Amino acid sequence: QSVLTQPPSVSAAPGQKVTISCSGSSSNIGRNHVSWYQQLPGTAPKLLICENNKRLSGTPDRFSGSKSGTSATLDITGLQTGDEAEYYCGTWDSSLYTGLFGGGTKVTVL
Amino acid sequence: QLQLEESGPGLVKPSETLSLTCAVSGASIGNSNYYWGWIRQSPGKGLEYIGIVYFSGSTYYTPSLKGRVTISVHTSRNQFSLELTSVTAADTAVYYCASLDYYDTTKFEYWGQGTLVTVSS
Repeated sequence: QSVLTQPPSVSAAPGQKVTISCSGSSSNIGRNHVSWYQQLPGTAPKLLICENNKRLSGTPDRFSGSKSGTSATLDITGLQTGDEAEYYCGTWDSSLYTGLFGGGTKVTVL
Repeated sequence: QLQLEESGPGLVKPSETLSLTCAVSGASIGNSNYYWGWIRQSPGKGLEYIGIVYFSGSTYYTPSLKGRVTISVHTSRNQFSLELTSVTAADTAVYYCASLDYYDTTKFEYWGQGTLVTVSS
């Protein structure tokens, strides 16, 4: 069981919006940045967002991240079939001195 | 563009040591802007952080694997490596190497393609 909690799955129709939450604690999300990764089937994870809300070059602006307290959120608007993937949040834990990933959220486009 | 590539045996026997190497190109492993890390993913499961190493040799390991894992840098070869001892079937996974931003230890920006390691007799 992951220290960072994500919903196992979310889904929506094309063009709609999904929100993926990532819940942690004061020693991890509460003190450190959050990054978001997209993993398409059979491929390595790809960094989409770093420093809570900064998109990497190449990340569409349909993807946005935010953080409040000990939780972070990834929003995907204008959902496309190509967005079907597993999404992971990641952060550092200042008490455990290790990095952490959430359990992952599968996004399904209906 | 930084590129990473994992290599090593695809099959390891239980109780033996898993050894993988990550070759780095496009940057020096002595670049002070990066940590170098290992992440794994068991079949059908999520990502698991294994640990990271700095060019100086400083390391951070996930608590659940501490005592079994060693990550080292090999500056002359521009590589870093992973050793995991006393493996069991639970260590069967795709192992990824990646670069981690020194100033943001949540930011794995560049990844290898991953290598599947199966633990079986």
